[in-house]
Amino acid sequence: GAGVSQSPRYKVAKRGQDVALRCDPISGHVSLFWYQQALGQGPEFLTYFQNEAQLDKSGLPSDRFFAERPEGSVSTLKIQRTQQEDSAVYLCASSFETQYFGPGTRLLVL
Amino acid sequence: QKEVEQNSGPLSVPEGAIASLNCTYSDRGSQSFFWYRQYSGKSPELIMSIYSNGDKEDGRFTAQLNKASQYVSLLIRDSQPSDSATYLCAGGVNQGGKLIFGQGTELSVKP
Repeated sequence: GAGVSQSPRYKVAKRGQDVALRCDPISGHVSLFWYQQALGQGPEFLTYFQNEAQLDKSGLPSDRFFAERPEGSVSTLKIQRTQQEDSAVYLCASSFETQYFGPGTRLLVL
Repeated sequence: QKEVEQNSGPLSVPEGAIASLNCTYSDRGSQSFFWYRQYSGKSPELIMSIYSNGDKEDGRFTAQLNKASQYVSLLIRDSQPSDSATYLCAGGVNQGGKLIFGQGTELSVKP
């Protein structure tokens, strides 16, 4: 079946602009994770959903970051007033027992 | 100190050799461990999972876990140039929960 999909694949934003990143998980996967990966580093946990419930948002770096999964399927990660330090690859993973990653969204903030 | 530590490399091995990748973790509550392979510009791809002490083999890959020493390793036998990638070690406290990743080890297999 289809894997995890993410859109857009690339996003260039001007500093101060709001962005929204979308994740479509594997059908039937209850758990959904967002990670941020800086160049040359491993992914860093941002937030976790089980169905529509956001169970852990301890990794969100500031209140400019917001995630939702209103119907327990598609999830959106929103970053308000983007800053240059937000430039990274944003990875979504869905899970039944093990996590499978989407292709990521590469965000560049100028 | 990061919760999951890996040597960043690069680790260079000749084709056909055994590549040994190592990882240590600090959270004794970690119960599950994973090795992901990440090609440049691509997303992480799961290679192995291991939950109990000892060895777990899958084809050319063997994962080893020693909870007393808080140590996880990945051996790749008969290394191929196509194995050249960054290998990420990750640990989780709860099965199905968030993962803590190391910074990754870059492996280069020379023909």
